[in-house]
Amino acid sequence: DAGITQSPRHKVTETGTPVTLRCHQTENHRYMYWYRQDPGHGLRLIHYSYGVKDTDKGEVSDGYSVSRSKTEDFLLTLESATSSQTSVYFCAISESLTGTYEQYFGPGTRLTVT
Amino acid sequence: QKEVEQNSGPLSVPEGAIASLNCTYSDRGSQSFFWYRQYSGKSPELIMSIYSNGDKEDGRFTAQLNKASQYVSLLIRDSQPSDSATYLCAVILFSGGYNKLIFGAGTRLAVHP
Repeated sequence: DAGITQSPRHKVTETGTPVTLRCHQTENHRYMYWYRQDPGHGLRLIHYSYGVKDTDKGEVSDGYSVSRSKTEDFLLTLESATSSQTSVYFCAISESLTGTYEQYFGPGTRLTVT
Repeated sequence: QKEVEQNSGPLSVPEGAIASLNCTYSDRGSQSFFWYRQYSGKSPELIMSIYSNGDKEDGRFTAQLNKASQYVSLLIRDSQPSDSATYLCAVILFSGGYNKLIFGAGTRLAVHP
């Protein structure tokens, strides 16, 4: 998985609670991304980061926030979890220096909101 | 029109045959194209990238790109049961000030012995 880990790998939480997912990389790549994958919707970008403390919204960012205080870590927070946020969450990294924008994915976190 | 379209399948092929997976995209300005393989319950794995018109071969995989017709395809020669997975086409679009990777919904491939 290109030196990418995600934690936790599985989580069950209750509606209304905050949840934080962590992505850690050892590749020193500049760009990091959070996606969610749902049946019928494919992979959708939630937020991305283009450097430490530099983040921006993707196409499905409502209800999510992110932080990146170090190159290697990118955190995704569900501020108040809802059942519609039950999904599989993937972190990805890429390095734009080559101009190829290839993205590599972490192993994923399966989140269930009850 | 979806930005990246794929037939959802399943595409069923016998072992040893050629599997042909197709993808069309809407943005004529796209320059970078990727194929990912995703086994059930696993994360997407990058298997091919292609940036210029024509064919690119890597082992049993060949990616084909035709920018004029806005399609990209993946051929898998000598298909094996281990190739059974969902194949995701992805295209780089420049939107909102950054390069965005847009995924198709994926084509499920089943290779039967």
